[in-house]
Amino acid sequence: AQKVTQAQTEISVVEKEDVTLDCVYETRDTTYYLFWYKQPPSGELVFLIRRNSFDEQNEISGRYSWNFQKSTSSFNFTITASQVVDSAVYFCALRVNRDDKIIFGKGTRLHILP
Amino acid sequence: SAVISQKPSRDICQRGTSLTIQCQVDSQVTMMFWYRQQPGQSLTLIATANQGSEATYESGFVIDKFPISRPNLTFSTLTVSNMSPEDSSIYLCSVEFQAGETQYFGPGTRLLVL
Repeated sequence: AQKVTQAQTEISVVEKEDVTLDCVYETRDTTYYLFWYKQPPSGELVFLIRRNSFDEQNEISGRYSWNFQKSTSSFNFTITASQVVDSAVYFCALRVNRDDKIIFGKGTRLHILP
Repeated sequence: SAVISQKPSRDICQRGTSLTIQCQVDSQVTMMFWYRQQPGQSLTLIATANQGSEATYESGFVIDKFPISRPNLTFSTLTVSNMSPEDSSIYLCSVEFQAGETQYFGPGTRLLVL
């Protein structure tokens, strides 16, 4: 069975600090896709990144970076120099096959304190 | 990505009534989905909205309670029927341009049932 675990329910950091959100996934399939979404207080879900299982290269986009480690089944997300606007709930998600549904983690609520 | 709109953005309803939520996309998409997010929880897939045929429902969701229409490649509706307070949630539609690719989400409809 497939599963996504976001062990951090809630995190608070002071603005400008770096913060890492953890995501651990479980699947026996060799082909799968991993996602991160951001849900600000407005409620909409904003797509951040999609990564397939064959691409372990880490990705950086501005202040955001992602560390994909197949050896530990983790896909962690780091925000550098956090800002108040980064306050949101962040969801990690897994999709095993293209026609399978996306499985979401329970989310991590991130508070950036001014 | 695409511009996805949902109507209404929020509503307060009385128990026993029904509400129809609309999802409109500004370009043709292959797949459309409906999710429910109960307060403080993760996302749960309700069904896949199939164009021109009956929706495909996930376990625990039935057509009588959540009838879905998808008359074309840019529009879908979800009806929440005979509502109870337990139906109070955010309802989100999502789309895929190609099956199995990234899902993009609408802004959500916040529903409160009294």
